[in-house]
Amino acid sequence: DIQMTQSLSTLYASVGDRLTITCRASQAISNCLAWYQQKPGKAPKLLIYKASTLESGVPSRFSGSGSGTEITLTISGLQPDDFATYFCQQCNPYWTFGQGTKVEIK
Amino acid sequence: QVQLVESGGGVFQPGRSLRLSCVASGFTFNTFTMHWLRQAPGKGLEWVASISSDGDNTYYADSVKGRYTISRDDSGNRLYLQLNSLRPADTALFHCAREGQATKAQTFDVWGQGTMVFVSS
Repeated sequence: DIQMTQSLSTLYASVGDRLTITCRASQAISNCLAWYQQKPGKAPKLLIYKASTLESGVPSRFSGSGSGTEITLTISGLQPDDFATYFCQQCNPYWTFGQGTKVEIK
Repeated sequence: QVQLVESGGGVFQPGRSLRLSCVASGFTFNTFTMHWLRQAPGKGLEWVASISSDGDNTYYADSVKGRYTISRDDSGNRLYLQLNSLRPADTALFHCAREGQATKAQTFDVWGQGTMVFVSS
């Protein structure tokens, strides 16, 4: 199975910051890549699919990029509602996830 | 409103069996592939099982193959996961999720909040 690694388990940031969360795959992967946001006690929410396509209703400050073995999620202008845990996912041949990066207030 | 709500979790002894349920609303359930995923305490998400929209095809993670069974009842808009021979390692928050369609295929575009399963003697 392809392993997905998010090297930062916690990232400290302030409102207004531009931050990037990175996910590395154990081998090259296609663009079957997604990012999710999860808040405590809530269902995960799809943000980005196909590596860079924004899910309907997700603010445009979220963007995804990358290919090969590294993908990134960027939040441009962090908002109070964005403090949450973010995790990546790939789907070849089956689905595996990164361990998650928790964005906390600095 | 598109929604998935899981139930059936609780505290169970090793070796016992249980069935988790997920009721769907707000969308045409019988046209979507559905999945179960789990998250053990302090660990990342793990895909567990999936079932095609027509129920004819099921797939399982190697870690649960032979012990878990996924099924669906389209008349009641329900997804099920039967867990047998429970082990402490099965302790996790179990989520049901809808697989997206077209360009969102192989992506989980709707999730439930989850139901917690504790396996302990």
